[in-house]
Amino acid sequence: QKEVEQNSGPLSVPEGAIASLNCTYSDRGSQSFFWYRQYSGKSPELIMFIYSNGDKEDGRFTAQLNKASQYVSLLIRDSQPSDSATYLCAVNQGRNRDDKIIFGKGTRLHILP
Amino acid sequence: GAVVSQHPSWVICKSGTSVKIECRSLDFQATTMFWYRQFPKQSLMLMATSNEGSKATYEQGVEKDKFLINHASLTLSTLTVTSAHPEDSSFYICSARVSGSIGELFFGEGSRLTVL
Repeated sequence: QKEVEQNSGPLSVPEGAIASLNCTYSDRGSQSFFWYRQYSGKSPELIMFIYSNGDKEDGRFTAQLNKASQYVSLLIRDSQPSDSATYLCAVNQGRNRDDKIIFGKGTRLHILP
Repeated sequence: GAVVSQHPSWVICKSGTSVKIECRSLDFQATTMFWYRQFPKQSLMLMATSNEGSKATYEQGVEKDKFLINHASLTLSTLTVTSAHPEDSSFYICSARVSGSIGELFFGEGSRLTVL
């Protein structure tokens, strides 16, 4: 069973601090990795994707990928109350862009004002 | 990003009735759309892959006769929950990919179904 694992949280972070969200995956052949944010009662929205080892930065967000350790993370700098949401890690399960995407259960993030 | 629209956003129905949910890609053509279901405080669970012009591919444990999927055009997929029961009450979300992209999914707004 191919899996995507996340700590369910809640993760509480003071406003202005760095929030660090982690994800591990079991399928070593996975090629593409995604972070989605989901507010309560809403559908997920894409924050970032990454497919090469290392870091990828976009504004306050940095995605990190380590394929050898099968580990993906998302850093949120200067955390804001509006960042409070559930963050879903998603993994494309194959080498083909059209392969299925599997989601983790998500980590609830709470930014403390 | 690409825009996916879903309708209705919420629906309440009586047990035994059928409900249709529409998913449209507004600014791109989607040969493949995906239907997910999400129960409260649970993860997204893939129900089926909807393929334009052909039969949908259902995930293990999802009843194809209960959850009818039709993908008649490159911009529209529909999910019909037939003979709905209270246990079918959930948040149903469709998504689609843009051809030639990295493969990321764009989601519709979701449809919250409550079966009385």
